[in-house]
Amino acid sequence: ILNVEQSPQSLHVQEGDSTNFTCSFPSSNFYALHWYRWETAKSPEALFVMTLNGDEKKKGRISATLNTKEGYSYLYIKGSQPEDSATYLCAFNSGDDKIIFGKGTRLHILP
Amino acid sequence: DGGITQSPKYLFRKEGQNVTLSCEQNLNHDAMYWYRQDPGQGLRLIYYSQIVNDFQKGDIAEGYSVSREKKESFPLTVTSAQKNPTAFYLCASSSSPGTGGNQPQHFGDGTRLSIL
Repeated sequence: ILNVEQSPQSLHVQEGDSTNFTCSFPSSNFYALHWYRWETAKSPEALFVMTLNGDEKKKGRISATLNTKEGYSYLYIKGSQPEDSATYLCAFNSGDDKIIFGKGTRLHILP
Repeated sequence: DGGITQSPKYLFRKEGQNVTLSCEQNLNHDAMYWYRQDPGQGLRLIYYSQIVNDFQKGDIAEGYSVSREKKESFPLTVTSAQKNPTAFYLCASSSSPGTGGNQPQHFGDGTRLSIL
């Protein structure tokens, strides 16, 4: 059974601090890794789709790295702001008809 | 604006009733998906469709049915056979065939279904 693990489950970060969290996925049969941000009362929004080992992607203060050989991806947020408070989901695809979501990391930014 | 519209936002079902959740997209996407979220769980795939008139079961299809008669529409019916239907349901679409691929998924705002 394919499993996608995200850690930590929940995180409190002081405004202005930087933070990161992890997505672990199977290292075999990798095709794509997705990151989404899900704010309360809104729909999940795509941040990144990563396909190559060593990929690094950046969107403003948010960036992500990918290691397909060891099966993990990090999401980094630099200088956290209140609007960064959300649940961050990763999703793994092995090129077949399955996309497996992790349970998410819930990020709270403290003023 | 292009996007995905789910309706209704909240839905209540009596025991033994079937209910249908609507999902419409105007993104011209080929692929559409239905997910279910329960507290403390990740999104789980119920059904997906890669092209019109074709759909496939996901991981938790029992007690659900779908149709894909038009590219824009992918309604989900929660049947009376679904013993634990109370959950949050999300619809998504993407431009790539298959359930993931290298194109992001676009999500609706969701429907919360509760049992009376």
